[in-house]
Amino acid sequence: GENVEQHPSTLSVQEGDSAVIKCTYSDSASNYFPWYKQELGKRPQLIIDIRSNVGEKKDQRIAVTLNKTAKHFSLHITETQPEDSAVYFCAASRWDSNYQLIWGAGTKLIIKP
Amino acid sequence: EAQVTQNPRYLITVTGKKLTVTCSQNMNHEYMSWYRQDPGLGLRQIYYSMNVEVTDKGDVPEGYKVSRKEKRNFPLILESPSPNQTSLYFCASSSGTRKYEQFFGPGTRLTVL
Repeated sequence: GENVEQHPSTLSVQEGDSAVIKCTYSDSASNYFPWYKQELGKRPQLIIDIRSNVGEKKDQRIAVTLNKTAKHFSLHITETQPEDSAVYFCAASRWDSNYQLIWGAGTKLIIKP
Repeated sequence: EAQVTQNPRYLITVTGKKLTVTCSQNMNHEYMSWYRQDPGLGLRQIYYSMNVEVTDKGDVPEGYKVSRKEKRNFPLILESPSPNQTSLYFCASSSGTRKYEQFFGPGTRLTVL
């Protein structure tokens, strides 16, 4: 079955710098890749997603890139701000999976002032 | 307001004392799911339900039961809780139109002594 690996487990960056979180997946049939953000003490919330027919998607300071050949996708956050501090989860799903998401283990992003 | 609610939010109990964590959504979503979140392990799915009276096991179903008698409710039942079920539990739901965007409840922090 599908397996999603996420790296790094913790990432500390200076405020204003960029942050990149990477995920790899094993099932080449996976075609949907969401990213969720979980602030401390809060619930996970979808922040951006990408489908396999697209190589990159941007939404203001966040972007996701997908490399289907290498089976990896990445979250990029530019001009990081204190409110970006959170745990970020990647996930993967295939079209016939009946709503199922396979989750990465999460990355704790720390923004240093 | 569209939302997923869980009750209780916090619970301390003792080994073997049956408990139920309720989950309710007001968005008419077909899909509902239960996750547990433990440090370093990310989100692990316990059970999910595709619709009323349709439930299936996730990755870590042992020690848990669920039911889906109504579309809006998806309770999680621990018949005989044990200390290894101490965790943060999230309920989530999604619709048929955007079935991979999962909306999470606020979480239930359970401690089993």
